[in-house]
Amino acid sequence: QVHLVESGGGLVKPGGSLRLSCVGSGFIFRDYYMSWIRQAPGKGLEWVSFIGSSGETKYFADSVKGRFTISRDNAKNSMYLQMNSLRAEDMAVYYCARVSRSGYKLESWGQGTLVTVSS
Amino acid sequence: EIVLTQSPGTLSLSPGERATLSCRASQSVDYNYLAWYQRKPGQAPRLLIYEPSTRATGIPDRFSGSGSGTNFTLTISRLEPEDFAVYFCQQYANSPPGTFGQGTKVEIK
Repeated sequence: QVHLVESGGGLVKPGGSLRLSCVGSGFIFRDYYMSWIRQAPGKGLEWVSFIGSSGETKYFADSVKGRFTISRDNAKNSMYLQMNSLRAEDMAVYYCARVSRSGYKLESWGQGTLVTVSS
Repeated sequence: EIVLTQSPGTLSLSPGERATLSCRASQSVDYNYLAWYQRKPGQAPRLLIYEPSTRATGIPDRFSGSGSGTNFTLTISRLEPEDFAVYFCQQYANSPPGTFGQGTKVEIK
């Protein structure tokens, strides 16, 4: 059974940094694109970033480009989101999700980790 | 960018009733690359339906999807207590990775 677990969320001051982690199990992690999706309070879902199976392909939403980086360690079945220069508008629940191998639908999700940006 | 508009925002129904949720796209969704997800508080979101009528693994047949072009529908034939949740659609045809609708909350009447 596919299982995704996020960690690393918490309270950070504006301008600060945070690193989110996602560990996958129950599937061959290295075979799949992985992604970060977020939902801010009162807002819809936003696809923040994704990374290709080998780490070469990366996507970032315009809202985070230049501030966030994504990486993965297939040996550890893990994906990471390094978030720098955090803003109030980055406050959200961040979900890790596995991308389908046929189209960018999201086959499995984690429960999410909350990032709070506040002074 | 394709904008997805879901309606209604909230649907108040009783267990056993039929739920019909709409997802309208600002332009045609190629290949009908449209998916529906369910999210319950404190749980991981779950893929229900994709392209646009194929049920994901383990999804009961009371869930069905239909539509094409710019208009898509998720139908829950008879609501079970566990179906009260937020449902959102996603198109993944345009500009990978695609966009999401704002969600429809199905609540107990």
